Amino acid sequence: GDSVTQMEGPVTLSEEAFLTINCTYTATGYPSLFWYVQYPGEGLQLLLKATKADDKGSNKGFEATYRKETTSFHLEKGSVQVSDSAVYFCALVPWGGYNKLIFGAGTRLAVHP
Amino acid sequence: DTGVSQNPRHKITKRGQNVTFRCDPISEHNRLYWYRQTLGQGPEFLTYFQNEAQLEKSRLLSDRFSAERPKGSFSTLEIQRTEQGDSAMYLCASSSLAGGTQETQYFGPGTRLLVL
Repeated sequence: GDSVTQMEGPVTLSEEAFLTINCTYTATGYPSLFWYVQYPGEGLQLLLKATKADDKGSNKGFEATYRKETTSFHLEKGSVQVSDSAVYFCALVPWGGYNKLIFGAGTRLAVHP
Repeated sequence: DTGVSQNPRHKITKRGQNVTFRCDPISEHNRLYWYRQTLGQGPEFLTYFQNEAQLEKSRLLSDRFSAERPKGSFSTLEIQRTEQGDSAMYLCASSSLAGGTQETQYFGPGTRLLVL
């Protein structure tokens, strides 16, 4: 079945460092891809999404490009802030069928001043 | 738009007891989803409603689990004869059918269940 694999955490960075969180997927057809974020004590929030190959999703300085040839959707940010500390989940909605989300295990990011 | 709400936020129960959780989706959202999240893992899909119809159930949803959405608004998830392995965060999400395949699912804060 369809699945998502993302890099294990925690990822620890200093403020203003460059961030990459790797995400790869296994799926048939053309899934839609998402990054969700969970801040401490809060619910899951959509960060960005891309629905077809070569699309770039972006929000709050974060970006991710849908790469079908490498089945990847890596999350990047040029300069992280302490407020970006959270758990980041990569997810997909399978092509066809109902819009259930299939999540990766999550990557915890800790940003220090 | 008050967001997705879930009650209770926390539930502690003894093994073998029944528990029921409630989810109130964003008003006029006709799609509703239940997920389960265990510590250190991503959420796993349990079931999906479109209006009052339950259209998909995961194999994770054993016969001890039942979900309803009687009037196409709020939903309940009941677990009968709870087991320690049921301890998890239960998440509800809703979305609008009008969004198509690009719909955004909005998540509630979750109900954390601990089975002793």
